[in-house]
Amino acid sequence: QLVLTQSPSASASLGASVKLTCTLSSGHSNYAIAWLQQQPEKGPRYLMKLNSDGSHRKGDGIPDRFSGSSSGAERYLAISSLQSEDEADYYCQTWGTGIWVFGGGTKLTVL
Amino acid sequence: EVQLLESGGGLVQPGGSLRLSCAASGFTFSSYAMNWVRQAPGKGLEWVSAIGGSGDNTFYANSVKGRFTVSRDNSKNTLFLQMNSLGAEDTAIYYCAKTTRDIRFHDSWGQGTLVTVSS
Repeated sequence: QLVLTQSPSASASLGASVKLTCTLSSGHSNYAIAWLQQQPEKGPRYLMKLNSDGSHRKGDGIPDRFSGSSSGAERYLAISSLQSEDEADYYCQTWGTGIWVFGGGTKLTVL
Repeated sequence: EVQLLESGGGLVQPGGSLRLSCAASGFTFSSYAMNWVRQAPGKGLEWVSAIGGSGDNTFYANSVKGRFTVSRDNSKNTLFLQMNSLGAEDTAIYYCAKTTRDIRFHDSWGQGTLVTVSS
């Protein structure tokens, strides 16, 4: 079964860096994912598509502070120089035949 | 610029029906698959339904299969979701989302429309 697992919460200080993790279920370690950001009271925003080899393509207007990387079944979203507006929920998402799957989301708090 | 504007949400009684719409602009609507994704209050994102660009192929989450029907009118650049036999578990913000060319990811989202199922 295709499942994406995310830690429920993370925190980091203003100006610091943080790395969020999304783990693909067994047998799906070669799947690409997308990272989405959802700021409070807003719709989701597409950040990037991230391949299993770590290559990624960001959406329009996404700052260079956001980057992605991969290792095995793990997919990472790194955010540097944290700003207050980065405080948001972050979701990973992937696709299987005829189904679209979301991770449970990570709530990022900027201290 | 891609714009997606959902409408049609509101308060409906259990067992009732509702039809959501999503008006799209800023891209060639018929060339892209479209999805509905929902978010229950305080919860994460849940995929609901998808439809291919021509409207021939449709897909549903198990939680809505047999109750919800997705459709599109490419002449009016509009996506629809007909929701029947609604229950409290369907209470959520419903987002329409445009997919990437390979249909795997959602690269543009609307602001959502709230559906509340309650007596």
